[in-house]
Amino acid sequence: AQSVTQPDIHITVSEGASLELRCNYSYGATPYLFWYVQSPGQGLQLLLKYFSGDTLVQGIKGFEAEFKRSQSSFNLRKPSVHWSDAAEYFCAAGGAFGNEKLTFGTGTRLTIIP
Amino acid sequence: ETGVTQTPRHLVMGMTNKKSLKCEQHLGHNAMYWYKQSAKKPLELMFVYNFKEQTENNSVPSRFSPECPNSSHLFLHLHTLQPEDSALYLCASSQDELLTGELFFGEGSRLTVL
Repeated sequence: AQSVTQPDIHITVSEGASLELRCNYSYGATPYLFWYVQSPGQGLQLLLKYFSGDTLVQGIKGFEAEFKRSQSSFNLRKPSVHWSDAAEYFCAAGGAFGNEKLTFGTGTRLTIIP
Repeated sequence: ETGVTQTPRHLVMGMTNKKSLKCEQHLGHNAMYWYKQSAKKPLELMFVYNFKEQTENNSVPSRFSPECPNSSHLFLHLHTLQPEDSALYLCASSQDELLTGELFFGEGSRLTVL
């Protein structure tokens, strides 16, 4: 069965420090991959997506993610976090064929400390 | 502002009540979705509509009844709910049902069933 795993439920990072959020997927083929962010009281907003091509993708708000086929991973990174980055982050994957729906991970809650 | 508006933002209802959640998108999209977000669980896809036709019912109990009168509006009618149905219900839209682009989410309707 298709699945997306975010092994870290909660991460705390100091403001200005670097960030890496982990995501692993299990799919029969290379899926489409997404990272979404959900601020408190808000819906989900797309940060970035990977369909094919360059394995390092740039997103909004200074985020990037790297697709590693050998590790079935799509980790999200940011070199220097800001207090406004505190939110919940969801990795999602979907089949590259037809209308396969997105499978979401359980999310990683990011706390920023001064 | 994502272009997807959900009302009400908060709803408290008893198990015998009937209520409805409303979603409206101003993006000209053709596909609309209902997701359920519960604590510590992945987002659960409930229903998908593409060009007003229901294309997915993810084994949702019949006490949840969706309605899509046109491509811009989506409703979720609620009847005789259970306390475990308390959750954040997210509406989303996309250009079409094929997984070639992003989902745009509303801010959600927080439902509490007493």
